[in-house]
Amino acid sequence: EADIYQTPRYLVIGTGKKITLECSQTMGHDKMYWYQQDPGMELHLIHYSYGVNSTEKGDLSSESTVSRIRTEHFPLTLESARPSHTSQYLCASSGDSLYGYTFGSGTRLTVV
Amino acid sequence: QKEVEQDPGPLSVPEGAIVSLNCTYSNSAFQYFMWYRQYSRKGPELLMYTYSSGNKEDGRFTAQVDKSSKYISLFIRDSQPSDSATYLCAMITSGSRLTFGEGTQLTVNP
Repeated sequence: EADIYQTPRYLVIGTGKKITLECSQTMGHDKMYWYQQDPGMELHLIHYSYGVNSTEKGDLSSESTVSRIRTEHFPLTLESARPSHTSQYLCASSGDSLYGYTFGSGTRLTVV
Repeated sequence: QKEVEQDPGPLSVPEGAIVSLNCTYSNSAFQYFMWYRQYSRKGPELLMYTYSSGNKEDGRFTAQVDKSSKYISLFIRDSQPSDSATYLCAMITSGSRLTFGEGTQLTVNP
C-alpha cells in the first residue's frame, strides 16, 4: 500500500491552463521533494521542502511553484502550462533515516 | 563533471544471466549508497542500501561498495524477466540530499 500519493496519475491539458499536481504522504516525513523525469532520462530535482513553510528551488530551473502549508501535503503548481512542461513529475519524501526516499507513482503530464 | 556517473544503457540480457550495474562518484563525502529500481510508468523504489565498503546480499541481489575506488555495483544473479526495469544508483552525505545516477535500463529476455 502506497504511503505517498500523487494525483492525478495522468493529465492532458491545453496550453495556458493553470494546473496543480497533488502530493500527500502519511508517514509524517518532514522532507519532501519534486522531481521531473522525461522518459528514459534521469531524475531532475526541481523543488524541495524541509518542513512547513519552507521551500527551495532544486537543481533544475522550473517555472513551477510549490507550497508547504501542512506537513503531509506538497502541491506543485504551473500557472500557465506550455508543451515544454510535458514530462513525468515524481514526488518523494524522506524522514530521519538516511537511507533514501519514498517515491509516489508520479503524474504524467501532457500539454497540448 | 557530474558527481555520480552511471554506466549508460540500455542493457539487454537473456534470462538467467548475471547482470552487473555500475556507478562511479567523485565526492568522497558520500557515505550512504542505495540502488533504486524503477518500473515503467512508476516511481523509483528502494532496492538495497549500504553504508560501508564491502558486499551486501539480499536474495539474488548483491550491492558492492568500494570507497577507495569510489565505485559501487549492483549484481543480479539468475536474472528474470521481472527484473526488467531502470536501475538508479543514489548516494548521500549526512544532512544533504540524494544524488542520483542517470539510470541504466535493463531488459531480461525470456
